[in-house]
Amino acid sequence: AQTVTQSQPEMSVQEAETVTLSCTYDTSESDYYLFWYKQPPSRQMILVIRQEAYKQQNATENRFSVNFQKAAKSFSLKISDSQLGDAAMYFCACAMNRDDKIIFGKGTRLHILP
Amino acid sequence: GAVVSQHPSRVICKSGTSVKIECRSLDFQATTMFWYRQFPKQSLMLMATSNEGSKATYEQGVEKDKFLINHASLTLSTLTVTSAHPEDSSFYICSSQQVHEQYFGPGTRLTVT
Repeated sequence: AQTVTQSQPEMSVQEAETVTLSCTYDTSESDYYLFWYKQPPSRQMILVIRQEAYKQQNATENRFSVNFQKAAKSFSLKISDSQLGDAAMYFCACAMNRDDKIIFGKGTRLHILP
Repeated sequence: GAVVSQHPSRVICKSGTSVKIECRSLDFQATTMFWYRQFPKQSLMLMATSNEGSKATYEQGVEKDKFLINHASLTLSTLTVTSAHPEDSSFYICSSQQVHEQYFGPGTRLTVT
């Protein structure tokens, strides 16, 4: 069974600074997908970034990038130039493939300090 | 991008009654939809996988007779909470799958009094 662990319940970062959210996962599969989702106060789940396990190159989306360490089963999210709108719950998640159910970590609440 | 709606967004019901939540994919067809439950300040917990035209697959510990799922068409899945109790009060979120992507609905807040 898959498990996803986020060890930081809350984090704070100054506006315009960079912050890294940690995530580790466990799976016995060789082919899987990893995600970071954002849940703002509206509670709408928003996909921030995805990584396919067979791709060695780290995914990036504008100010968001990941550090994917497959051997260590680590998948951290870096947010550069933090903005007030980045304040939200961030969930790390894993799926066997993009057609399968997504298993979420417990989340990290990110505060942006003006 | 693809849009998924949920109805109602909020519902209050009395203990012992049943309530139905609808999940619709508005501009695409989804053979698979997922239902999640989220308690305050907690993560999303997968309840069941809903497949069009077949029985839903429930996660361990989820009562299939209490949480009835029907996926009668490629654009609609429903979750019915039967004989609701206060402990069923929660935020229910659905997601619809389209071409290797999952799109999430805005959620339904259920309060059982």
